[in-house]
Amino acid sequence: SQTIHQWPATLVQPVGSPLSLECTVEGTSNPNLYWYRQAAGRGLQLLFYSVGIGQISSEVPQNLSASRPQDRQFILSSKKLLLSDSGFYLCAWSVSSGGYNEQFFGPGTRLTVL
Amino acid sequence: GESVGLHLPTLSVQEGDNSIINCAYSNSASDYFIWYKQESGKGPQFIIDIRSNMDKRQGQRVTVLLNKTVKHLSLQIAATQPGDSAVYFCAELPGDYGQNFVFGPGTRLSVLP
Repeated sequence: SQTIHQWPATLVQPVGSPLSLECTVEGTSNPNLYWYRQAAGRGLQLLFYSVGIGQISSEVPQNLSASRPQDRQFILSSKKLLLSDSGFYLCAWSVSSGGYNEQFFGPGTRLTVL
Repeated sequence: GESVGLHLPTLSVQEGDNSIINCAYSNSASDYFIWYKQESGKGPQFIIDIRSNMDKRQGQRVTVLLNKTVKHLSLQIAATQPGDSAVYFCAELPGDYGQNFVFGPGTRLSVLP
């Protein structure tokens, strides 16, 4: 069966510090991978998605970046965190065949920028 | 635990009653919809999906209704239980190739004993 992992589960970082959140998927090959941010009282905001190694599409301009160094690894990074980067970050995967495929979400990372 | 949505609309239901959670979507070209359940501090979990060529789909204790005329989606939960307490949100997939899911803000369901 497929599983998706995210770490860390919680993170408190000062403004201006770097960020690295990691997401890995097990039990599937060549998945589509997604990074979302969820702010309080709002829906999920798609940040990045990837259809393959090294292929990253950005949905919103910001000081975050994403990388996919391996097929089942997706990393969200920042060189300098802003207060507005605080939120709940979710990684998700879906099969890559296109069409009507649900997304499976990881447990999330709660980021607090102070 | 994590508070997913501090100012979300809230639906309070007595245990054992039926719950109806509504979602208005915006894109008339959307042709696939999913309801997700998110418990505090956790990632969203798939509940049920429906394609635009259907107007009703049933699962275990849950039913999704789709009204394309008014772009409305609803989730009905039968015999609501305490474990159903969570934030529920819908997601729509626009029919255009290459589009990604668009998620609604969610509704918090609170089950009263």
